[in-house]
Amino acid sequence: GENVEQHPSTLSVQEGDSAVIKCTYSDSASNYFPWYKQELGKRPQLIIDIRSNVGEKKDQRIAVTLNKTAKHFSLHITETQPEDSAVYFCTADSWGKLQFGAGTQVVVTP
Amino acid sequence: GAGVSQTPSNKVTEKGKYVELRCDPISGHTALYWYRQSLGQGPEFLIYFQGTGAADDSGLPNDRFFAVRPEGSVSTLKIQRTERGDSAVYLCASSLGGLAGNNEQFFGPGTRLTVL
Repeated sequence: GENVEQHPSTLSVQEGDSAVIKCTYSDSASNYFPWYKQELGKRPQLIIDIRSNVGEKKDQRIAVTLNKTAKHFSLHITETQPEDSAVYFCTADSWGKLQFGAGTQVVVTP
Repeated sequence: GAGVSQTPSNKVTEKGKYVELRCDPISGHTALYWYRQSLGQGPEFLIYFQGTGAADDSGLPNDRFFAVRPEGSVSTLKIQRTERGDSAVYLCASSLGGLAGNNEQFFGPGTRLTVL
């Protein structure tokens, strides 16, 4: 079945710096890769997604890249702010079901 | 509009008891998903409905777990003979559907199940 690996597990950055989270997946049939942000005690919320016919997508301070050949995808957050502190999950959609990475705890210190 | 809702928000039960968890999806969403999230981990897929039928139930851990969606809207996740290891947050999500997936899934707030 699908296996999504995510690194790092924790990431501490200074406010204003960039944060990068990297993921790999195993199912070559996956072609939709959403990223979710989850604050403590809250539901996961979609922040950005990318489909396999696109290599890169950007939305303000957030960008995602996808390398289908290498089965790698990554999230980049620029100019980090304290409200970016949360757990971020990469996911790969495999015929409807999302396979989640283990999550990255991002802490942005002022 | 209203998002995905789940009831109860918290459920405490004793080992061996039966529990039902309810999910109300976003109106018009034909696909509904159940996930389980243990502390410090990512959500784990349990089952996915397209309409009234289970399109994929490969994530259900064993036959104590069962889910229904009789009218293609509300879904109930049923757990028999609960065990302490079943303690987790049970998340429900819905999407516009289609058997190939690739649609944004909107999550509910979850039900925190504690088995004593």
